[in-house]
Amino acid sequence: SAVISQKPSRDICQRGTSLTIQCQVDSQVTMMFWYRQQPGQSLTLIATANQGSEATYESGFVIDKFPISRPNLTFSTLTVSNMSPEDSSIYLCSVETQGTTDTQYFGPGTRLTVL
Amino acid sequence: AQKITQTQPGMFVQEKEAVTLDCTYDTSDPSYGLFWYKQPSSGEMIFLIYQGSYDQQNATEGRYSLNFQKARKSANLVISASQLGDSAMYFCAMREEKGGGNKLTFGTGTQLKVEL
Repeated sequence: SAVISQKPSRDICQRGTSLTIQCQVDSQVTMMFWYRQQPGQSLTLIATANQGSEATYESGFVIDKFPISRPNLTFSTLTVSNMSPEDSSIYLCSVETQGTTDTQYFGPGTRLTVL
Repeated sequence: AQKITQTQPGMFVQEKEAVTLDCTYDTSDPSYGLFWYKQPSSGEMIFLIYQGSYDQQNATEGRYSLNFQKARKSANLVISASQLGDSAMYFCAMREEKGGGNKLTFGTGTQLKVEL
């Protein structure tokens, strides 16, 4: 498994502002993922972030709204831009560990409230 | 069609009893993986157990076991000897080798409450 940390753990933001969430892993990983979990809902993949290439976004998510950086094999950031109350969610990063199961392990999440 | 279906929005179980959380899936990919995660109220996602589509045996991890019925496309999670700390949301997820890349598709979850 991998030890994953996220900053901030929670935040309350005003509409129209942006927030950058950091994800740090204790080992080098190829694949990192960003998920959104809206209140009372399941997890939805926002994008896959591989080091050295542009992030791959899922349908319904665009780079202008959710820019992602992946500067090295242990770190990634997700920015939620021009926020509205609909962006209030838990944002989770995950990493895939290579092996027989290719399991994804998740960070503790960032609980975002937009007023 | 939903790729992962969890039909039990909420479940109750008495402490020390066993409980089964249902999960059915839909895929035409012959190679896939099935995962169960636990999400306490704190929000973190905790990996519990994995079952590969080619695995002959049902997966087990401590008090967790996965009842894998491939022909019925079901992957139910069994928690034995329930504890109060097992109260949480449980998500079933699938990873398809060909169609989904490395993406995990999640079900809607089952809220489990363990009672004294």
